Amino acid sequence: EVQLVESGGGLVQPGRSLKLSCAASGFTFSNYYMAWVRQAPKKGLEWVATISTSGSRTYYPDSVKGRFTISRDNAKSSLYLQMNSLKSEDTATYYCAREIYDGSYVMDAWGQGASVTVSS
Amino acid sequence: EIVLTQSPTTMAASPGEKVTLTCRASSSVSYMHWYQQRSGASPKLWIYETSKLASGVPNRFSGSGSGTSYSLTINSMETEDAATYYCQQGSSYPYTFGAGTKLELK
Repeated sequence: EVQLVESGGGLVQPGRSLKLSCAASGFTFSNYYMAWVRQAPKKGLEWVATISTSGSRTYYPDSVKGRFTISRDNAKSSLYLQMNSLKSEDTATYYCAREIYDGSYVMDAWGQGASVTVSS
Repeated sequence: EIVLTQSPTTMAASPGEKVTLTCRASSSVSYMHWYQQRSGASPKLWIYETSKLASGVPNRFSGSGSGTSYSLTINSMETEDAATYYCQQGSSYPYTFGAGTKLELK
């Protein structure tokens, strides 16, 4: 069974940093692109970052580019999101997701989410 | 950036009723994907590559479309189908989601 378990969320002050982790199991982690998707309270889904299988390629939307860094450790089957210079608008539940390519990229497995609150 | 516009924003359907949700893209995409999110839960992949049902999805659901216009249809609404449905394109970066359609039980 595919499992994705996020950790590392919490309350952080604006301008500070936080690092999320995602532990993967039930599949060969190194064979898959991975992503982070967030959801602000009572809002829709927003893609935050994607990383290739080896970690050599990363992709971000403009809203987080230069502040967030996605990384992975294939030996530990783990995904990370380093978030710097946090803003109040980064407050959200952050989901770790597995990507597959089937004509285009789609997220076929999701974690339970990690809550991040940015507030003074 | 490809903007996805979903309609309606909210709707209510009675058990047994046919339901159609739409998603329009600002530019042509190769496929559309759909996710279901029940209240308090994580999103689940529901339909991928426009018309393929994800594992465990009942066959009363279907997806169709091409280019800039896509839809998700429920043949006969059931209680468990009440949820928010999001469309998503993965054809080009940045990946984008629609704002969602909240489907309620009437």
